Amino acid sequence: DQQVKQNSPSLSVQEGRISILNCDYTNSMFDYFLWYKKYPAEGPTFLISISSIKDKNEDGRFTVFLNKSAKHLSLHIVPSQPGDSAVYFCAASGMDSSYKLIFGSGTRLLVRP
Amino acid sequence: NAGVTQTPKFRVLKTGQSMTLLCAQDMNHEYMYWYRQDPGMGLRLIHYSVGEGTTAKGEVPDGYNVSRLKKQNFLLGLESAAPSQTSVYFCASRTSGAPYEQYFGPGTRLTVT
Repeated sequence: DQQVKQNSPSLSVQEGRISILNCDYTNSMFDYFLWYKKYPAEGPTFLISISSIKDKNEDGRFTVFLNKSAKHLSLHIVPSQPGDSAVYFCAASGMDSSYKLIFGSGTRLLVRP
Repeated sequence: NAGVTQTPKFRVLKTGQSMTLLCAQDMNHEYMYWYRQDPGMGLRLIHYSVGEGTTAKGEVPDGYNVSRLKKQNFLLGLESAAPSQTSVYFCASRTSGAPYEQYFGPGTRLTVT
């Protein structure tokens, strides 16, 4: 039973356009959400996070939106760059599980020049 | 400041052989984690530790053992390797409080034949 789902295995966008990556979760006890980026043959690197007390967090070209009622979060990358091509993992955590991370299966983003 | 390092980077084992994966971090983090990543499944937690001398089971602990004798090191052992343990293994660490993001090592690719 997947608690964190990324239903799109892949996404392709044109350079300069917006990339939107989506993530759904089922556990209402989750209160902290993160996005990681992973290049081939490297470990995941932390990108951006959001607490459940917020509905938006922005860091440069990256913005994460949280819709608690829908149990949905999304990552927006504007403008997309070829160097953003990677696998993006959504992760969720909560105090009830000592903030262990539950990961989605990932979305492979390809930004075409 | 090397962050999180993992040894070895690659390993091929025969069924039934044993090995130990070493994770080291120089960030003075209390919490350390071992994950495995399989195609299409994201990262799954094997074991974790909330401090020196402590360990706990994660989502997929069977077939693995761990030890945290020193704060900076977290060892993952396979006593009798099986082909189902062919995977990429990642170690991660974080501080004991907020923020809850984990920092990952570069991974160990293990093949069991």
